[in-house]
Amino acid sequence: EVHLVESGGSLVEPGGSLRLSCAASGFRFADYTMNWVRQAPGKGLEWVASITSSSSYIYYTDSTKDRFTISRENAENSLYLQMNSLRPEDTAVYFCARDLNVGTPFDSWGQGTLVTVSS
Amino acid sequence: SYVLTQAPSESVAPGKTARIACGGNNIGFKSVHWYQQKPGQAPVLVISHDSDRPSGIPERFSGSNSGNTATLTISRVEAGDEADYYCQVWDSRSDHYVFGPGTKVTVL
Repeated sequence: EVHLVESGGSLVEPGGSLRLSCAASGFRFADYTMNWVRQAPGKGLEWVASITSSSSYIYYTDSTKDRFTISRENAENSLYLQMNSLRPEDTAVYFCARDLNVGTPFDSWGQGTLVTVSS
Repeated sequence: SYVLTQAPSESVAPGKTARIACGGNNIGFKSVHWYQQKPGQAPVLVISHDSDRPSGIPERFSGSNSGNTATLTISRVEAGDEADYYCQVWDSRSDHYVFGPGTKVTVL
Protein backbone atom coordinates (compact mmCIF):
# COMPACT_ATOMS: atom_id res chain seq x y z
CA GLU A 1 0.00 0.00 0.00
CA VAL A 2 1.26 3.46 -0.91
CA HIS A 3 2.02 5.58 2.12
CA LEU A 4 3.13 9.22 2.22
CA VAL A 5 3.74 10.89 5.57
CA GLU A 6 4.60 14.56 5.88
CA SER A 7 6.36 16.06 8.89
CA GLY A 8 8.12 19.23 9.94
CA GLY A 9 5.23 21.67 10.07
CA SER A 10 5.12 24.11 12.96
CA LEU A 11 4.61 27.71 14.04
CA VAL A 12 7.33 30.00 12.68
CA GLU A 13 7.80 33.77 12.70
CA PRO A 14 7.71 35.82 9.49
CA GLY A 15 11.11 35.73 7.82
CA GLY A 16 11.92 32.38 9.35
CA SER A 17 12.76 29.04 7.77
CA LEU A 18 11.34 25.54 7.93
CA ARG A 19 12.12 22.21 6.31
CA LEU A 20 9.30 19.82 5.52
CA SER A 21 9.82 16.12 4.92
CA CYS A 22 7.73 13.47 3.23
CA ALA A 23 8.48 9.82 3.92
CA ALA A 24 7.35 7.42 1.21
CA SER A 25 6.71 3.69 1.40
CA GLY A 26 4.86 0.97 -0.43
CA PHE A 27 6.13 1.83 -3.92
CA ARG A 28 9.35 2.35 -5.84
CA PHE A 29 9.98 5.97 -4.88
CA ALA A 30 12.75 6.49 -7.43
CA ASP A 31 10.30 5.88 -10.30
CA TYR A 32 7.97 8.76 -9.48
CA THR A 33 7.84 12.50 -9.82
CA MET A 34 7.00 14.06 -6.45
CA ASN A 35 5.11 17.22 -5.65
CA TRP A 36 4.18 19.64 -2.89
CA VAL A 37 0.69 21.13 -2.81
CA ARG A 38 -0.59 23.51 -0.16
CA GLN A 39 -3.97 24.60 1.10
CA ALA A 40 -4.44 27.77 3.12
CA PRO A 41 -7.14 27.62 5.81
CA GLY A 42 -10.56 27.57 4.16
CA LYS A 43 -9.05 27.95 0.69
CA GLY A 44 -8.43 25.79 -2.36
CA LEU A 45 -5.49 23.69 -3.47
CA GLU A 46 -2.34 25.41 -4.71
CA TRP A 47 0.50 23.56 -6.41
CA VAL A 48 3.86 24.55 -4.94
CA ALA A 49 6.67 22.55 -6.56
CA SER A 50 7.54 19.36 -8.44
CA ILE A 51 10.71 17.30 -8.83
CA THR A 52 11.20 14.53 -11.34
CA SER A 53 12.36 11.05 -10.39
CA SER A 54 16.10 11.69 -10.81
CA SER A 55 15.90 15.36 -9.83
CA SER A 56 16.67 16.33 -13.42
CA TYR A 57 13.78 18.75 -13.65
CA ILE A 58 12.38 20.98 -10.93
CA TYR A 59 9.41 23.33 -11.19
CA TYR A 60 8.03 25.95 -8.82
CA THR A 61 5.00 28.16 -8.63
CA ASP A 62 5.91 31.81 -9.12
CA SER A 63 5.23 32.88 -5.54
CA THR A 64 7.72 30.43 -4.05
CA LYS A 65 10.47 29.88 -6.61
CA ASP A 66 12.94 32.29 -5.02
CA ARG A 67 12.26 31.18 -1.43
CA PHE A 68 11.49 27.46 -1.51
CA THR A 69 13.70 24.55 -2.57
CA ILE A 70 12.34 21.09 -3.35
CA SER A 71 14.70 18.13 -3.15
CA ARG A 72 14.64 14.37 -2.74
CA GLU A 73 16.83 11.53 -1.54
CA ASN A 74 15.84 8.38 -3.42
CA ALA A 75 18.04 6.15 -1.27
CA GLU A 76 16.01 7.24 1.74
CA ASN A 77 12.60 7.36 0.01
CA SER A 78 12.27 10.95 1.13
CA LEU A 79 11.07 14.24 -0.31
CA TYR A 80 11.88 17.63 1.17
CA LEU A 81 10.78 21.24 0.96
CA GLN A 82 13.13 23.87 2.34
CA MET A 83 11.16 27.06 2.96
CA ASN A 84 12.98 30.33 3.61
CA SER A 85 11.83 33.92 4.10
CA LEU A 86 8.43 32.68 5.17
CA ARG A 87 5.45 35.03 4.96
CA PRO A 88 2.05 34.93 6.68
CA GLU A 89 0.50 34.03 3.32
CA ASP A 90 2.54 30.80 3.34
CA THR A 91 0.36 29.57 6.20
CA ALA A 92 -1.23 26.36 4.96
CA VAL A 93 -1.42 22.62 5.18
CA TYR A 94 1.33 21.22 2.95
CA PHE A 95 0.66 17.93 1.18
CA CYS A 96 3.13 15.76 -0.68
CA ALA A 97 1.77 13.81 -3.63
CA ARG A 98 3.19 11.53 -6.28
CA ASP A 99 2.67 11.25 -10.00
CA LEU A 100 4.23 9.04 -12.64
CA ASN A 101 5.48 11.86 -14.82
CA VAL A 102 5.11 15.60 -14.97
CA GLY A 103 1.65 16.30 -16.30
CA THR A 104 0.07 13.11 -15.03
CA PRO A 105 -2.40 13.08 -12.12
CA PHE A 106 -1.47 12.99 -8.45
CA ASP A 107 -2.65 9.49 -7.61
CA SER A 108 -1.58 9.35 -3.96
CA TRP A 109 -1.40 12.05 -1.32
CA GLY A 110 -0.17 12.33 2.24
CA GLN A 111 -2.36 13.67 5.03
CA GLY A 112 -0.50 16.97 5.20
CA THR A 113 1.47 18.99 7.74
CA LEU A 114 0.43 22.42 9.01
CA VAL A 115 2.74 25.40 8.65
CA THR A 116 1.72 28.55 10.48
CA VAL A 117 3.64 31.78 9.86
CA SER A 118 2.82 34.31 12.54
CA SER A 119 4.48 36.53 15.11
CA SER B 1 -0.42 31.91 -16.71
CA TYR B 2 -3.24 29.48 -17.44
CA VAL B 3 -6.43 30.02 -15.45
CA LEU B 4 -9.16 27.52 -14.57
CA THR B 5 -12.62 28.58 -13.46
CA GLN B 6 -15.20 26.67 -11.42
CA ALA B 7 -18.53 27.62 -9.89
CA PRO B 8 -18.11 28.00 -6.11
CA SER B 9 -20.99 25.71 -5.23
CA GLU B 10 -23.60 23.32 -6.48
CA SER B 11 -26.53 21.72 -4.69
CA VAL B 12 -28.06 18.47 -5.79
CA ALA B 13 -30.74 16.16 -4.41
CA PRO B 14 -29.93 12.55 -3.61
CA GLY B 15 -30.35 10.29 -6.62
CA LYS B 16 -29.98 13.15 -9.09
CA THR B 17 -27.05 14.07 -11.31
CA ALA B 18 -24.40 16.67 -10.48
CA ARG B 19 -22.42 18.27 -13.28
CA ILE B 20 -19.34 20.24 -12.23
CA ALA B 21 -17.77 22.41 -14.88
CA CYS B 22 -14.14 23.49 -15.21
CA GLY B 23 -13.50 26.28 -17.67
CA GLY B 24 -10.24 27.18 -19.39
CA ASN B 25 -9.04 28.52 -22.72
CA ASN B 26 -9.02 25.55 -25.14
CA ILE B 27 -9.00 23.20 -22.19
CA GLY B 28 -10.15 20.50 -24.61
CA PHE B 29 -6.54 20.26 -25.80
CA LYS B 30 -5.31 19.56 -22.27
CA SER B 31 -5.59 16.53 -20.03
CA VAL B 32 -7.84 17.28 -17.06
CA HIS B 33 -7.75 15.52 -13.71
CA TRP B 34 -10.39 15.76 -10.96
CA TYR B 35 -10.01 15.44 -7.19
CA GLN B 36 -12.53 15.02 -4.40
CA GLN B 37 -11.70 16.46 -0.99
CA LYS B 38 -13.77 15.95 2.13
CA PRO B 39 -13.29 18.17 5.22
CA GLY B 40 -10.08 17.43 7.07
CA GLN B 41 -8.93 14.88 4.52
CA ALA B 42 -6.40 14.76 1.72
CA PRO B 43 -7.67 15.03 -1.86
CA VAL B 44 -8.52 11.84 -3.72
CA LEU B 45 -8.17 11.41 -7.47
CA VAL B 46 -11.58 10.54 -8.96
CA ILE B 47 -11.03 11.13 -12.69
CA SER B 48 -7.75 11.24 -14.62
CA HIS B 49 -6.95 12.21 -18.20
CA ASP B 50 -10.41 13.71 -18.82
CA SER B 51 -12.44 10.53 -18.35
CA ASP B 52 -10.44 7.67 -16.84
CA ARG B 53 -11.69 6.32 -13.53
CA PRO B 54 -9.02 5.08 -11.10
CA SER B 55 -9.45 1.75 -9.42
CA GLY B 56 -11.93 1.95 -6.55
CA ILE B 57 -13.83 4.97 -7.84
CA PRO B 58 -17.53 4.21 -8.43
CA GLU B 59 -18.85 4.11 -11.98
CA ARG B 60 -21.17 6.95 -10.99
CA PHE B 61 -18.21 9.28 -11.53
CA SER B 62 -17.43 10.20 -15.14
CA GLY B 63 -15.69 12.98 -17.01
CA SER B 64 -15.60 14.71 -20.37
CA ASN B 65 -13.59 17.49 -21.94
CA SER B 66 -14.17 19.54 -25.07
CA GLY B 67 -13.71 23.09 -26.27
CA ASN B 68 -13.38 25.43 -23.32
CA THR B 69 -15.07 23.24 -20.69
CA ALA B 70 -14.27 20.02 -18.87
CA THR B 71 -17.06 18.39 -16.88
CA LEU B 72 -17.16 16.00 -13.96
CA THR B 73 -20.48 14.19 -13.75
CA ILE B 74 -21.70 12.41 -10.65
CA SER B 75 -24.73 10.24 -11.33
CA ARG B 76 -27.17 8.98 -8.70
CA VAL B 77 -25.67 11.32 -6.13
CA GLU B 78 -25.30 9.99 -2.58
CA ALA B 79 -24.82 11.81 0.71
CA GLY B 80 -21.22 10.58 0.78
CA ASP B 81 -20.45 12.54 -2.39
CA GLU B 82 -20.70 15.81 -0.50
CA ALA B 83 -17.24 17.34 -0.85
CA ASP B 84 -15.12 19.92 -2.63
CA TYR B 85 -14.14 19.02 -6.18
CA TYR B 86 -11.07 20.43 -7.94
CA CYS B 87 -9.97 20.22 -11.55
CA GLN B 88 -6.29 20.26 -12.49
CA VAL B 89 -4.19 20.59 -15.62
CA TRP B 90 -0.53 20.84 -16.54
CA ASP B 91 0.23 24.04 -18.42
CA SER B 92 3.17 23.24 -20.68
CA ARG B 93 3.69 26.89 -21.60
CA SER B 94 4.57 27.88 -18.05
CA ASP B 95 5.64 24.44 -16.77
CA HIS B 96 3.12 24.84 -13.97
CA TYR B 97 0.38 22.67 -12.56
CA VAL B 98 -2.86 24.62 -12.21
CA PHE B 99 -5.80 23.82 -9.96
CA GLY B 100 -9.26 25.23 -10.36
CA PRO B 101 -10.69 27.14 -7.38
CA GLY B 102 -12.94 24.24 -6.45
CA THR B 103 -16.68 23.55 -6.37
CA LYS B 104 -18.40 22.66 -3.13
CA VAL B 105 -21.07 20.05 -3.77
CA THR B 106 -23.88 19.95 -1.24
CA VAL B 107 -26.31 17.04 -1.17
CA LEU B 108 -29.73 18.33 -0.15
